[in-house]
Amino acid sequence: AQSVTQPDIHITVSEGASLELRCNYSYGATPYLFWYVQSPGQGLQLLLKYFSGDTLVQGIKGFEAEFKRSQSSFNLRKPSVHWSDAAEYFCAVGAVGGSYIPTFGRGTSLIVHP
Amino acid sequence: NAGVTQTPKFRVLKTGQSMTLLCAQDMNHEYMYWYRQDPGMGLRLIHYSVGEGTTAKGEVPDGYNVSRLKKQNFLLGLESAAPSQTSVYFCASSRITSGQETQYFGPGTRLLVL
Repeated sequence: AQSVTQPDIHITVSEGASLELRCNYSYGATPYLFWYVQSPGQGLQLLLKYFSGDTLVQGIKGFEAEFKRSQSSFNLRKPSVHWSDAAEYFCAVGAVGGSYIPTFGRGTSLIVHP
Repeated sequence: NAGVTQTPKFRVLKTGQSMTLLCAQDMNHEYMYWYRQDPGMGLRLIHYSVGEGTTAKGEVPDGYNVSRLKKQNFLLGLESAAPSQTSVYFCASSRITSGQETQYFGPGTRLLVL
């Protein structure tokens, strides 16, 4: 079965600084990988996803993520954080083929200082 | 399109009371899911449905029942609420589940069990 680890419970950055949120997965084959964002009091919204091709994936709101098979990682990045990016971020992994139910990490809370 | 909607948005129950949470989607999605979100635990799957009339258990199904009588609706029932079921409940849907499908989430239902 697949699993996801988000090592950082909280990340604090200053507005305008760069951001990297870590995600490590465990799965025996090439996985499908997702990043979702949850704004306070809201449901989750897809930021980006990877399932094949270019390992650098572009998403909405200026986010990108890079799939690194050798490190079993799918880290989320943004070059310049805005105050509105303060939210909870979830990494998820899905299995390739057949019926699958995605597994979510525990989330990383992003705090943005002015 | 309204997407995924959840009713009610907030509810307070006493221990032992019952209630039903309603999830509706207007995207003609086959798959629907119920998650609970607790601090530090991320999203945990309670039950899911792969189509009208079918349901299956997820990671934390105890104390909950579900029904999918209509394709667009997925109901989550608590027969005898317990304080441990205080949580935020999210419903999600996806077109199919091939591993790469995006999940669309509702805004959540906040449940407090006293």
